[in-house]
Amino acid sequence: QSVLTQPPSVSAAPGQKVTVSCSGSSSNIGNNYVSWYQQFPGTAPKLLIYDNNKRPSGIPDRFSGSKSGTSATLDITGLQTGDEADYYCGTWDSDLSDGVFGGGTKLTVL
Amino acid sequence: EVQLVESGGGLVQPGGSLRLSCAASGFTVSTNYMTWVRQAPGKGLEWVSVIYRVSSTYYADSVGGRFTIARDNSKNTLYLQMNSLRAEDTAIYFCARGGHLLPMDVWGQGTTVTVSS
Repeated sequence: QSVLTQPPSVSAAPGQKVTVSCSGSSSNIGNNYVSWYQQFPGTAPKLLIYDNNKRPSGIPDRFSGSKSGTSATLDITGLQTGDEADYYCGTWDSDLSDGVFGGGTKLTVL
Repeated sequence: EVQLVESGGGLVQPGGSLRLSCAASGFTVSTNYMTWVRQAPGKGLEWVSVIYRVSSTYYADSVGGRFTIARDNSKNTLYLQMNSLRAEDTAIYFCARGGHLLPMDVWGQGTTVTVSS
């Protein structure tokens, strides 16, 4: 059981937009920055979004993040088949003094 | 080039020990937060431990008292000493730069640990 809650899967057609949600609590998302990670099968995770809504160099602006209260959202627009991957939200939980991740969301581009 | 390379994984019997290494290049381990994350087969990411400053370390409850995170500044390397290993510790172990309140922006390729008799 993950501390952060994500939908197991999302899907959309190429060119469309998809939203991945991440729900937490005041001890984690509510009071700390959220990061998003992209992971392709058999590879290491890659930082996609940090500090709720910032993109590292090289990440296309098709990827965007936001946070409101105890929830965060990852939006991917102009979907491409190459975006098919697992997406994880992560942050720090100040009560647990632990890093926490969501259970991951598998994106399928139909 | 900024890079992390893990090593030390392998097959170990329940109750055994293993030490993972994470060699950094292109940046200094001692001045960065460094984190271990693991991923059991077919499962999601699980945070394991973070180290920052000399004595500030945190551990997931599932590994506390059994795992120890440390670094050798002279070798620019991060370690994870794993004792009293259990079947449920079987996973790919990734090291990453960052963690705690910072994003994990550089990841190693992972090293596989299998705990089985």
